[in-house]
Amino acid sequence: GENVEQHPSTLSVQEGDSAVIKCTYSDSASNYFPWYKQELGKGPQLIIDIRSNVGEKKDQRIAVTLNKTAKHFSLHITETQPEDSAVYFCAASRGNFNKFYFGSGTKLNVKP
Amino acid sequence: GAGVSQSPSNKVTEKGKDVELRCDPISGHTALYWYRQSLGQGLEFLIYFQGNSAPDKSGLPSDRFSAERTGGSVSTLTIQRTQQEDSAVYLCASSRTLNRGKGSGYTFGSGTRLTVV
Repeated sequence: GENVEQHPSTLSVQEGDSAVIKCTYSDSASNYFPWYKQELGKGPQLIIDIRSNVGEKKDQRIAVTLNKTAKHFSLHITETQPEDSAVYFCAASRGNFNKFYFGSGTKLNVKP
Repeated sequence: GAGVSQSPSNKVTEKGKDVELRCDPISGHTALYWYRQSLGQGLEFLIYFQGNSAPDKSGLPSDRFSAERTGGSVSTLTIQRTQQEDSAVYLCASSRTLNRGKGSGYTFGSGTRLTVV
C-alpha cells in the first residue's frame, strides 16, 4: 500500500516569513495530492490540491509543487500570518474515489 | 446540506457499551469515508463507500467495528463492546464526481469525539 511521510512534525516561523512542509510517497500510481488544514476542534479543510499532470499550482499565498520522479510534493506558504497557525496534513491517492493516505501532520505556529 | 454533518459531536461511554456515530454527507456526494484521529496523531482510514459498490473495509481495526450506508446517503459507524483504545475523534468525509469521473478532495465533518471510560 501507499506510505506517506511528512516533515517537519512542528514548524515555528515569524509572521511574514515563508513556511515549507514536505511529503514523500511510495506508490508511483498515486496521482492526486491534496493538502488539508486542521484548526483546533475542527475537521480538516482542503486548502489546495495538485494532480500528477502538473508540477506546480498556486493560490494566492499558498503553492504546492510536485516532483513525480522523486515522489515528493511540498506546500509553500508565503507571507505567513498568525491565522495560518494550524496542523497541516498532506495526502496521496490514486484518485477516482480511492482512499487517501495521510501524512502524520505538521503543526505550524506563526509567531506575531 | 451545506456541509458534512456528524452527530453526536461528543460521546462519553462506558467500556463494554456499544456506540453509534452518524454521518450526513453533502447532498449528491457519491463517496463517503470514515477516518479515525487519535490525540495528536494523523488520520487513520477505516472504511469507504462509493455508490452501490461493495465498501472498502480494509481499515477497520477489528470485527467490533462496522459501518453501513443506507440509501446512498446517511452512514452509521458502529463500535461494539467499546474499549479505552477506541477513544479518538471519528471523522467522516464525502466527495463528488468531477468531469471525466475524477474524484475531488474530501469535505470533512467536524467529527465525533468519543471517550471510553
